[in-house]
Amino acid sequence: EVQLVESGGGLVQPGGSLRLSCTASGFTLSAYWMNWVRQAPGKGLEWVANIKQDGSRKSYVDSVKGRFTISRDNTKNSLYLQISSLRAEDTAVYYCARDRGAYTDYVSASDIWGQGTMVAVSS
Amino acid sequence: DIVMTQSPDSLAVSLGERATINCKSSQSVLYSSNNMNYLAWYQQKPGQPPKLLIYWASTRESGVPDRFSGSGSGTDFTLTISSLQAEDVAVYYCQQYYTTPALSFGGGTRVEIK
Repeated sequence: EVQLVESGGGLVQPGGSLRLSCTASGFTLSAYWMNWVRQAPGKGLEWVANIKQDGSRKSYVDSVKGRFTISRDNTKNSLYLQISSLRAEDTAVYYCARDRGAYTDYVSASDIWGQGTMVAVSS
Repeated sequence: DIVMTQSPDSLAVSLGERATINCKSSQSVLYSSNNMNYLAWYQQKPGQPPKLLIYWASTRESGVPDRFSGSGSGTDFTLTISSLQAEDVAVYYCQQYYTTPALSFGGGTRVEIK
């Protein structure tokens, strides 16, 4: 079964850090761009970051640049998001999502999503 | 940055009736070299992750019922549910990928049963 499972979320104080993980199964992670998308409680979807198949290209939404770092280890079938200097407005469910196109040079729609991991930033 | 604006914020439709959701982009998402609209639609039910319904503005994802259809081009797009079923109650989002790899979503439209 094609599946993504996120982990690593939790309650953290403002200014703190967390490392989110996403483990892929049932497909070859190295063939796909991968995304992180977040959703604040009761709010809409916000794209956060993505990374090319080989990790050579990374993009971020402006609000997280310099604070979040996306990475991947294809040998471990894993995607990561290091989140630092956390703010209250970073409180959200963080989803990892697979791009639907294999071996493409561009990102398109996301066809496989994990169940998400909750990050709560509060003192 | 491309801003995606959805309307209405919510709508209530009777079972079996048509539901229409609009999505407008602040600039065209039609790529002239391949004549493709870089737009997708997702469905999100409570407590679940989003589910891809439509990509390239009008191509239905495998397994998606044919009562879901996407249309439009350039800056104006529509998701239509031709005959609303109880299981279609959800929030629907449009997403552009014209500025790939940077992406952006619309604010969402909540569909309920009247």
